[in-house]
Amino acid sequence: IAGITQAPTSQILAAGRRMTLRCTQDMRHNAMYWYRQDLGLGLRLIHYSNTAGTTGKGEVPDGYSVSRANTDDFPLTLASAVPSQTSVYFCASSETPGTRGTDTQYFGPGTRLTVL
Amino acid sequence: GQNIDQPTEMTATEGAIVQINCTYQTSGFNGLFWYQQHAGEAPTFLSYNVLDGLEEKGRFSSFLSRSKGYSYLLLKELQMKDSASYLCAVRDSNYQLIWGAGTKLIIKP
Repeated sequence: IAGITQAPTSQILAAGRRMTLRCTQDMRHNAMYWYRQDLGLGLRLIHYSNTAGTTGKGEVPDGYSVSRANTDDFPLTLASAVPSQTSVYFCASSETPGTRGTDTQYFGPGTRLTVL
Repeated sequence: GQNIDQPTEMTATEGAIVQINCTYQTSGFNGLFWYQQHAGEAPTFLSYNVLDGLEEKGRFSSFLSRSKGYSYLLLKELQMKDSASYLCAVRDSNYQLIWGAGTKLIIKP
C-alpha cells in the first residue's frame, strides 16, 4: 500500500539520550518534511528536504538533525533529548515543492515521543 | 510575524451546516489548504484554494478572499464522523506551509 510509514509509533526516552525517528515513503515524492505538533499550537516545521541530497531548516530546527541519502527515507535525529522535545512528530511528503500547484502534503501516522 | 487564526472549538448538530473561519497574515501567499485531523491520527488533505472564490467538493466547500486574508471551510449535512480538528495552512513566499492551531469540531446528535 503506497504511503508514508513512521517508526516507532511511540517512545518514552530518558533526557540526554539519542533518538532517531524513521520515515519512509514509497510514492517517489521529491520533498519530505518533519513537523512537531503540540497541544494548542499549529504544526511547526522542523526540517525539510526538497530533493534527495539536500536539506533545509524549518521554524524550529534546534536540537534536531536530518539526512536525505535517498528519495524514500528521511530520518530525524535528536542528538540529546530534552523534555521540551516531548511532542507528536509527523513526517510528510509532497511531489513538486516550490511550485504554485497544489503540491499536497501527505502525512505519516506520527510518532508520539515522551522525554522524561 | 506570520499568523494564522482559527476558532479553538466549535459545536454543531448532526445534519446541520457549519462554517469554520480562518484569517491569515503571512509573508507572501501561494495557496491555502484545509486539512482534517481525527484525534490520534494524521492530518488528511481536504481542499486547496489559490484564487478568490468558492471551491466545492461534495459536502465540503472552501472559500478564499486574498484581499481580506480570509478563508472559510463549509461543511454541509454534518455527520458524526465529521467530528475532528480542521487545520488551515497557508503556503508562504518560501513555499512552506504555515499552520493554524486547528479548530476542534464537535458534532452532537
